[in-house]
Amino acid sequence: KAGVTQTPRYLIKTRGQQVTLSCSPISGHRSVSWYQQTPGQGLQFLFEYFSETQRNKGNFPGRFSGRQFSNSRSEMNVSTLELGDSALYLCASSRPGQGIYEQYFGPGTRLTVT
Amino acid sequence: GQQLNQSPQSMFIQEGEDVSMNCTSSSIFNTWLWYKQDPGEGPVLLIALYKAGELTSNGRLTAQFGITRKDSFLNISASIPSDVGIYFCAGSNSGGSNYKLTFGKGTLLTVNP
Repeated sequence: KAGVTQTPRYLIKTRGQQVTLSCSPISGHRSVSWYQQTPGQGLQFLFEYFSETQRNKGNFPGRFSGRQFSNSRSEMNVSTLELGDSALYLCASSRPGQGIYEQYFGPGTRLTVT
Repeated sequence: GQQLNQSPQSMFIQEGEDVSMNCTSSSIFNTWLWYKQDPGEGPVLLIALYKAGELTSNGRLTAQFGITRKDSFLNISASIPSDVGIYFCAGSNSGGSNYKLTFGKGTLLTVNP
């Protein structure tokens, strides 16, 4: 069974630009969560989607947004990039009924903002 | 908000030694998860715990859900070089609209062959 896939794996952007990251969950998984990982703050929750609806959101500014499509694939968007947005962005999927808290992570997208 | 304190921050051990790391929380969780992350990769789920007092093994790994529901520990027996990596604990609560994991800061494990 294929795991969670994220594209692109690496991205370099300039301050002020916007970026869109993509996540394809494990087949049959309908919940997708996004996390930001930095050396200083560790892994921090961004938001979670289920059936195209955002169910929970972390403490990030409105520049961070996401969406989920009917096939459970998800995208997250960061507008007006800041240097501090440089991080590894991780997507995780889980399957309702299995125990939603067993989240399976993709390899991440490494975003560098210059 | 909820915070997880994970310790130790790092460990340097000899191959064959046993390892123990733990997480404590300022509030109750009803789910504890342990993950391992290798450089350049996403975290990989090792063990999931759903019941206070539960003790679960996965090969050489054993994890326990503390009876107070505010802590969990992970043991690795007879460590090998491929155990090197960062180990994270994560907690969550079911019910309501809380569908997120709160992570500890990680334990960096180095195994000397």
